Amino acid sequence: DVKVTQSSRYLVKRTGEKVFLECVQDMDHENMFWYRQDPGLGLRLIYFSYDVKMKEKGDIPEGYSVSREKKERFSLILESASTNQTSMYLCASRGTGRVNEQYFGPGTRLTVT
Amino acid sequence: GEDVEQSLFLSVREGDSSVINCTYTDSSSTYLYWYKQEPGAGLQLLTYIFSNMDMKQDQRLTVLLNKKDKHLSLRIADTQTGDSAIYFCAERNAGNMLTFGGGTRLMVKP
Repeated sequence: DVKVTQSSRYLVKRTGEKVFLECVQDMDHENMFWYRQDPGLGLRLIYFSYDVKMKEKGDIPEGYSVSREKKERFSLILESASTNQTSMYLCASRGTGRVNEQYFGPGTRLTVT
Repeated sequence: GEDVEQSLFLSVREGDSSVINCTYTDSSSTYLYWYKQEPGAGLQLLTYIFSNMDMKQDQRLTVLLNKKDKHLSLRIADTQTGDSAIYFCAERNAGNMLTFGGGTRLMVKP
């Protein structure tokens, strides 16, 4: 069974703080993704990575950066958290099968005050 | 760009059928997916359909695809309280990226 874990389920940070969200997958997948989920807006792609040290911007990368130093780990960084980054953050990984299913972690609910 | 639309909310009684609808704009979609998100959890793939099919059945689930109208639906037969969740429609484009709809919250009343 594929497992995608995220470092925290709930996080509360202050405006201006640097925030790290960690994601680890155990299936040796090349592709990993960070999304944010907001009510009525579905999932929006922030960044993705198709290999170690490789990253590509998604639809809403502003205010975020990422790091992929090891294949199993993909980190999302908020350099200076703002209240409009209060959201649910979901990490996913994807293998190379025909269906290309994405496997999701449980999410981190981040509140920036 | 690509756009995927879903209604926000659906309420049904236990034992009835539920139909969740989705429209998309990208005619180059290769696969279309239905994901389920239970409270406090991430998304889990429920079912999928390849773009050259028009129907797929999997136990209580039936997926219908009208490629001409770019309309996808998910029918859940004999809906149970355990089916209460948010359901996301997603399309995969030629670049292998997913575009998700806003999600439909299904509430099943006993």
